[in-house]
Amino acid sequence: GAVVSQHPSRVICKSGTSVKIECRSLDFQATTMFWYRQFPKQSLMLMATSNEGSKATYEQGVEKDKFLINHASLTLSTLTVTSAHPEDSSFYICSASAGSFISGNTIYFGEGSWLTVV
Amino acid sequence: AQKITQTQPGMFVQEKEAVTLDCTYDTSDQSYGLFWYKQPSSGEMIFLIYQGSYDEQNATEGRYSLNFQKARKSANLVISASQLGDSAMYFCALVGGYQKVTFGTGTKLQVIP
Repeated sequence: GAVVSQHPSRVICKSGTSVKIECRSLDFQATTMFWYRQFPKQSLMLMATSNEGSKATYEQGVEKDKFLINHASLTLSTLTVTSAHPEDSSFYICSASAGSFISGNTIYFGEGSWLTVV
Repeated sequence: AQKITQTQPGMFVQEKEAVTLDCTYDTSDQSYGLFWYKQPSSGEMIFLIYQGSYDEQNATEGRYSLNFQKARKSANLVISASQLGDSAMYFCALVGGYQKVTFGTGTKLQVIP
């Protein structure tokens, strides 16, 4: 079963509104979660690193005021796309780490969220 | 800085044949991990196989094996006995410090009946 759950899987919103996407780790506590964006037929691009209890670290070129990330607990991180525009339409996916990667597959992905801004 | 390169944007393979998907990487980290993920058209990322930089043996998971050549910085995925359900995008990924994952551009694999 899924160890990282992402919700909603699909969302359509009007231009100018805000939309929130949740990422939950189900079986473990995740001090760090990651948010990625994927345009059609392209690779996943890291947007930001979400740290529990502190501010997110954004990658270069990502507008922190537009993509608000909140990691309020060890099992939940949220991405809020504020004042959404059609160009924000994309596939957003989160991942969470259950421990050191040295021990093996400890990076789990959510199911992803398709955002369409109309 | 981390970099992952997948030079094959698309590949075709006959059903029941084996196929190799190429992946090269570059990192300054001493400890790192390499992943392969499968992404069907529905979008979810499906974990296939993992190789740690200190693992001496190549990783295997069922029909998947990872040909890890550390000196050449390559981590090719080999899929044996291809099935129609293997048709998907395949991403090679590198994880180093701070658990940050860098993805390659992907290879679209199509299995032909």
